[in-house]
Amino acid sequence: AQSVTQLGSHVSVSEGALVLLRCNYSSSVPPYLFWYVQYPNQGLQLLLKYTSAATLVKGINGFEAEFKKSETSFHLTKPSAHMSDAAEYFCAVSLGRGSYIPTFGRGTSLIVHP
Amino acid sequence: GAVVSQHPSWVICKSGTSVKIECRSLDFQATTMFWYRQFPKQSLMLMATSNEGSKATYEQGVEKDKFLINHASLTLSTLTVTSAHPEDSSFYICSANDRDDYGYTFGSGTRLTVV
Repeated sequence: AQSVTQLGSHVSVSEGALVLLRCNYSSSVPPYLFWYVQYPNQGLQLLLKYTSAATLVKGINGFEAEFKKSETSFHLTKPSAHMSDAAEYFCAVSLGRGSYIPTFGRGTSLIVHP
Repeated sequence: GAVVSQHPSWVICKSGTSVKIECRSLDFQATTMFWYRQFPKQSLMLMATSNEGSKATYEQGVEKDKFLINHASLTLSTLTVTSAHPEDSSFYICSANDRDDYGYTFGSGTRLTVV
């Protein structure tokens, strides 16, 4: 069994400020972890994924996330927010690949102020 | 990278009619596809999992006779909303997993409005 908790339904930052979106997971086996971004009326786009290789994962658009087993966390960060980063972000966990069903968090809406 | 093409992007239909949504994996074989429904400002709700050549597995509470899923080939899965009603209006998204990859690739979604 697996679950994902995203802390904070909304995160508001100023343009140029650090972005930190929190994700904690629980999993009965070593997890595969994902971050997705969704813009209005669009599907989800993969930002990055952790699949038991390097614990610091770099993704697209300057985002990165660090897998911390001791904290069961996979927080998403970006050093400097851009207006174009405003979107909905989803953390997801899976027990494996193929037909394993991923579990998604509730999502965090990132708001970027000029 | 892996691409999933979903059509149509939006559709408006009259109550009582049926609507078909298609999802195609363009550059990989998708042995498993997932169909989601998303309500405004909410996360994705898994409706069903479809495996190529076999019947779809529906989540609890999802009417299989209303939401018909066909996964006849390794690159195509369809969701048909039968006898649609206004409460079926929603955003529907498909997702597929490349068995050689660990990621899930999503279609662009379909906005269904039933009037």
